[in-house]
Amino acid sequence: EVQLVESGGRLVPPGGSLRLSCEASGNTFSIYWMSWVRQAPGKGLEWVANINQDGREKNYVDSVRGRYTISRDNGKKSLYLQMNSLRDEDTAVYYCARDMGDYGVEPLDYWGQGTLVTVSS
Amino acid sequence: QSALTQPRSVSGSPGQSVTISCTGTSSDVGGYNYVSWYQQHPGQAPKLLIYDVTRRPSGVPDRFSGSKSGNTATLTISGLQAEDEADYYCCSYAGSYTWVFGGGTTLTVL
Repeated sequence: EVQLVESGGRLVPPGGSLRLSCEASGNTFSIYWMSWVRQAPGKGLEWVANINQDGREKNYVDSVRGRYTISRDNGKKSLYLQMNSLRDEDTAVYYCARDMGDYGVEPLDYWGQGTLVTVSS
Repeated sequence: QSALTQPRSVSGSPGQSVTISCTGTSSDVGGYNYVSWYQQHPGQAPKLLIYDVTRRPSGVPDRFSGSKSGNTATLTISGLQAEDEADYYCCSYAGSYTWVFGGGTTLTVL
């Protein structure tokens, strides 16, 4: 059973930066695409970014492109999200999730419990 | 990258069937057979219910089924049970390894 544990969420002022981490259990981390999905308080899910197995393919939703950077360290079985120039509207629970397959077109079958990022002065 | 359109809420009585629609465009729902559905109970992470429009992951009851016609995908839940009360989200591949979710639908079991 795969487990994903996010960390790094906290209160940060507008314009600030934050780095989220997601650590995976098991030995198959390196063979799957990974994603970040966020959920603003009382709102729906929003896909944020994904990354392929070797980290060379990275994709972002328009609202975060240029401000967020997704990365991974397969040796540490960890996924990261560097968030810069944070805005009030970035306030959300951020989920780390694993793609079901290895082609980048599969759904998300394992999710962490999320980490809360609050952007406020 | 506009969110897919779902009804804000649906309801049904135990044992009945309900459907939840998910409308997109030819650039997402209509263009690919990569529509998935997620169930989310309050305070919990989403759970994958349906993928590739009609497929169910192991462990998901066959009361849950999916379909698609044109730019609209549909989740059908038959034999409603109290534990089905939750939020439901559709999600579609939108090309270039990007994804778009629907706004979510709250299911109330009366």
